[in-house]
Amino acid sequence: DSGVTQTPKHLITATGQRVTLRCSPRSGDLSVYWYQQSLDQGLQFLIQYYNGEERAKGNILERFSAQQFPDLHSELNLSSLELGDSALYFCASSGTGTGVYSPLHFGNGTRLTVT
Amino acid sequence: AQKITQTQPGMFVQEKEAVTLDCTYDTSDPSYGLFWYKQPSSGEMIFLIYQGSYDQQNATEGRYSLNFQKARKSANLVISASQLGDSAMYFCAMRDYTDKLIFGTGTRLQVFP
Repeated sequence: DSGVTQTPKHLITATGQRVTLRCSPRSGDLSVYWYQQSLDQGLQFLIQYYNGEERAKGNILERFSAQQFPDLHSELNLSSLELGDSALYFCASSGTGTGVYSPLHFGNGTRLTVT
Repeated sequence: AQKITQTQPGMFVQEKEAVTLDCTYDTSDPSYGLFWYKQPSSGEMIFLIYQGSYDQQNATEGRYSLNFQKARKSANLVISASQLGDSAMYFCAMRDYTDKLIFGTGTRLQVFP
């Protein structure tokens, strides 16, 4: 168990809809990262938050947004969903200890299916 | 630009044999970490092992070892005494000054009896 909790595990929704994915990082971790894993794009970094503030952006669509709350949990909002948004979405967290030498610890992911 | 390359889409290995999964990387940052993750068919991402750019010795974690050749920019994962439960996707990843983790495309390992 990585200590990172993601809910829900599965999500099935229709095109055009909006969903929210939730993530609770490991206790004490200030950084939260969101990744998208699809068959054709592999593992893509979306966005990073550190202690409530956006730290870095990757290949995140404008239809997607995220935030990190004071209790450090994070939510990824996906709107105007398209078939191509179907993917496994991971949240990961890391602490502040050893920087680049620290691994990211991943949650079990939320599998989103857009029909 | 930071990049991770895994050239083996798939590998087969017989149970109890050793297998090497290849990974090369590119970064201009002298300080970086290299990581390997395992993704079983159930989907979760499991951290296996890491190597720091200044580490002199190769990292080992149980049956996993990381063959780090800095001059060649390679960080190959060696799994000794393969087990059926080792069948999974394996991802090499790097973390540098950008702080985020970037991944290779993965290698699917299949262990047969």
